[in-house]
Amino acid sequence: DTAVSQTPKYLVTQMGNDKSIKCEQNLGHDTMYWYKQDSKKFLKIMFSYNNKELIINETVPNRFSPKSPDKAHLNLHINSLELGDSAVYFCASSQVGQGTEAFFGQGTRLTVV
Amino acid sequence: QKEVEQDPGPLSVPEGAIVSLNCTYSNSAFQYFMWYRQYSRKGPELLMYTYSSGNKEDGRFTAQVDKSSKYISLFIRDSQPSDSATYLCAMGRSGSARQLTFGSGTQLTVLP
Repeated sequence: DTAVSQTPKYLVTQMGNDKSIKCEQNLGHDTMYWYKQDSKKFLKIMFSYNNKELIINETVPNRFSPKSPDKAHLNLHINSLELGDSAVYFCASSQVGQGTEAFFGQGTRLTVV
Repeated sequence: QKEVEQDPGPLSVPEGAIVSLNCTYSNSAFQYFMWYRQYSRKGPELLMYTYSSGNKEDGRFTAQVDKSSKYISLFIRDSQPSDSATYLCAMGRSGSARQLTFGSGTQLTVLP
């Protein structure tokens, strides 16, 4: 059983399109995250979300928006895609009260052409 | 200056060598320290998790945290070719955010 799963694994799209990446976790965790990994392997937090609060990294453009239909899902919507959005996007989850270690999905490689 | 600094490598060692990977940080609010291993085209996988200063051992892996020096290390004993990956240090702080701040990763190759 995959703990944190994302779909799709690969996504190639044109500039200006709107796309979504889905994430699901079956760990029973109460907090989920989206991270962006650039071409130099640097991982940077975009959002953290639990049922009480959404915390947005101030550097994230408002074209990016997380949407959580329930505690086990956190999807990422991206509007008006730009070339610079090309990266690998990772979903992760953790449980409050058990430290801050996060468990990651396999990533979605987004290429904007 | 980045909050977390990590030598990107690449680091190449022969099989059986002891590997030392290090990170320094500037934010004294960090209380949780982690090491992740990331294979090519895979997600980061949690290797070690420590809270505050001290050592933690798990098999061939030992994590050290020195909060007074703001320095953390990961040692790999008897390194294997299967250890070849990128190693990322990560740090977190208390509070509702629970977001991790990552180092840039060190690429390790263990040669057979």
